[in-house]
Amino acid sequence: GQQLNQSPQSMFIQEGEDVSMNCTSSSIFNTWLWYKQDPGEGPVLLIALYKAGELTSNGRLTAQFGITRKDSFLNISASIPSDVGIYFCAGRAGNTPLVFGKGTRLSVIA
Amino acid sequence: DGGITQSPKYLFRKEGQNVTLSCEQNLNHDAMYWYRQDPGQGLRLIYYSQIVNDFQKGDIAEGYSVSREKKESFPLTVTSAQKNPTAFYLCASRGTGIRGNQPQHFGDGTRLSIL
Repeated sequence: GQQLNQSPQSMFIQEGEDVSMNCTSSSIFNTWLWYKQDPGEGPVLLIALYKAGELTSNGRLTAQFGITRKDSFLNISASIPSDVGIYFCAGRAGNTPLVFGKGTRLSVIA
Repeated sequence: DGGITQSPKYLFRKEGQNVTLSCEQNLNHDAMYWYRQDPGQGLRLIYYSQIVNDFQKGDIAEGYSVSREKKESFPLTVTSAQKNPTAFYLCASRGTGIRGNQPQHFGDGTRLSIL
């Protein structure tokens, strides 16, 4: 099945730094979602995007739906230790099932 | 409390044995999904159901079976035909219909291991 190209695969950053990750697709999507997963738990929805060009924030998190509808990025500002985890992007075209990226593993060094 | 409940949290299977993973939601969602997650990998779709009494194969359906007899429930059976069943299994659901394009939410997962 189709998968999204999510990068980077992993990141090690200092506490307080900003983080940026992105996803690209060969197909056009009408929905982009960003999730965070902690070890041994299910992914939790962070941000949902439904329009090309849409920029949405959730606290220190900001995500954008690319204007080409083939990409999205997630930024985390002023990272803190509890930001550690795996971040997944996911996209959907029409009413088809979500397609997921392989995740970005974020480690924060205090 | 509204949400998606998966049980059990941990499950052990003997060789040649079928096991069933439970997924229940009280969110009145029409669509439900099962994913498999292996270490360092993304989520791979096993089966999904958009409405009661109907379901579709995902990318890796071989060795698995599902049923959708009730809107709230979407159990997954891992059959003995699945030769590498050790993984973390995630159930998800999503509202559709007149509420339009709703985001998908996940349960807390079931970790299946082979004895």
